[in-house]
Amino acid sequence: ETGVTQSPTHLIKTRGQQVTLRCSSQSGHNTVSWYQQALGQGPQFIFQYYREEENGRGNFPPRFSGLQFPNYSSELNVNALELDDSALYLCASSFLAGAYNEQFFGPGTRLTVL
Amino acid sequence: KNEVEQSPQNLTAQEGEFITINCSYSVGISALHWLQQHPGGGIVSLFMLSSGKKKHGRLIATINIQEKHSSLHITASHPRDSAVYICAVRSYGGSQGNLIFGKGTKLSVKP
Repeated sequence: ETGVTQSPTHLIKTRGQQVTLRCSSQSGHNTVSWYQQALGQGPQFIFQYYREEENGRGNFPPRFSGLQFPNYSSELNVNALELDDSALYLCASSFLAGAYNEQFFGPGTRLTVL
Repeated sequence: KNEVEQSPQNLTAQEGEFITINCSYSVGISALHWLQQHPGGGIVSLFMLSSGKKKHGRLIATINIQEKHSSLHITASHPRDSAVYICAVRSYGGSQGNLIFGKGTKLSVKP
């Protein structure tokens, strides 16, 4: 059984650029959630995808967008990068078959915006 | 005020000590998670609970729904337990991924 993987592990961009982060779900999982974790803070929920549709969104602007593919892998896209977007981006996968299923987290992508 | 508060923020212990980390929340929840985050970022889910108590090895998690409070206990602590421990809750009506996280408790266990 393969765990959740994310790529790349580290990324440096400049203000105004666009970035795409990728996440591969754990085998058998159909739901992916994305989180942003600023330094010294707890993660903040960005959005969740279930069967290729957005299934909940946190308090993030539209320049944060996502996709989920038929194999349940997912992308997080951020346009017009700002300095405050510098953070660790985590994805987590789960099987959405009830309210109490556990999430499994990936190792994260550390994004630095200069 | 954050919806999920953890205490203490930082904790230093000697190897072998019994450790307690506390989590209080202000919203109605359907589940509470305890997570462990090591330097470098990876998060491991330790427990998910909605009532009572769970035990896994040297780790014990309890929750009191009426008091909106949970505790994570580590018995016979070891330097490899050094990490950030994060409490997260799923509020009523929230989607499965919409967790509200505490800021974490940084634990350092000295040999």
